[in-house]
Amino acid sequence: EAGVAQSPRYKIIEKRQSVAFWCNPISGHATLYWYQQILGQGPKLLIQFQNNGVVDDSQLPKDRFSAERLKGVDSTLKIQPAKLEDSAVYLCASRRAGSPYEQYFGPGTRLTVT
Amino acid sequence: RKEVEQDPGPFNVPEGATVAFNCTYSNSASQSFFWYRQDCRKEPKLLMSVYSSGNEDGRFTAQLNRASQYISLLIRDSKLSDSATYLCVVNLSGNQFYFGTGTSLTVIP
Repeated sequence: EAGVAQSPRYKIIEKRQSVAFWCNPISGHATLYWYQQILGQGPKLLIQFQNNGVVDDSQLPKDRFSAERLKGVDSTLKIQPAKLEDSAVYLCASRRAGSPYEQYFGPGTRLTVT
Repeated sequence: RKEVEQDPGPFNVPEGATVAFNCTYSNSASQSFFWYRQDCRKEPKLLMSVYSSGNEDGRFTAQLNRASQYISLLIRDSKLSDSATYLCVVNLSGNQFYFGTGTSLTVIP
């Protein structure tokens, strides 16, 4: 079974620029998460999708971050404009609907904002 | 107050030692509990789920204490390959997952 795919793996941008990340979850996984992991911290949930609907985006900084999962499969996360404090690893995870609740993570995108 | 709290360590232990990590959670309505392992510059990977009755997987034992709202992970006979960060994860409902900051373990030859 193929794992969660993410691209790009690394991205360096200047502050105030825009950036987009892509995630392809494990086939058949209805639930998809985007997390932000700052160095030395645990992952922090940004947004959760169930199929193509948003379940929880309470911690997404909506003035600059947006995400979509239009067809209930792939998802994109965008930052516009980026700030220095957005430097982090952006992790995508997926799981099947219902229990068990184990999540499977992609390799992440390491973003550096200069 | 954080939903999940862990001692960040670092824990530096010799090979063969037994080491234990604890994690406390703040919401008594939490339903499911997990330990994830994260290697340096890699993504988190599920190590084990934590069941109410406690569970064991080889050298790893996880326990849950609902009354005191903590979970633990015990690693026996530590190997060099166990060096990683161990993340405590709490599921509040089907939708809400909270990660601890992680506990760093280094096993020394």
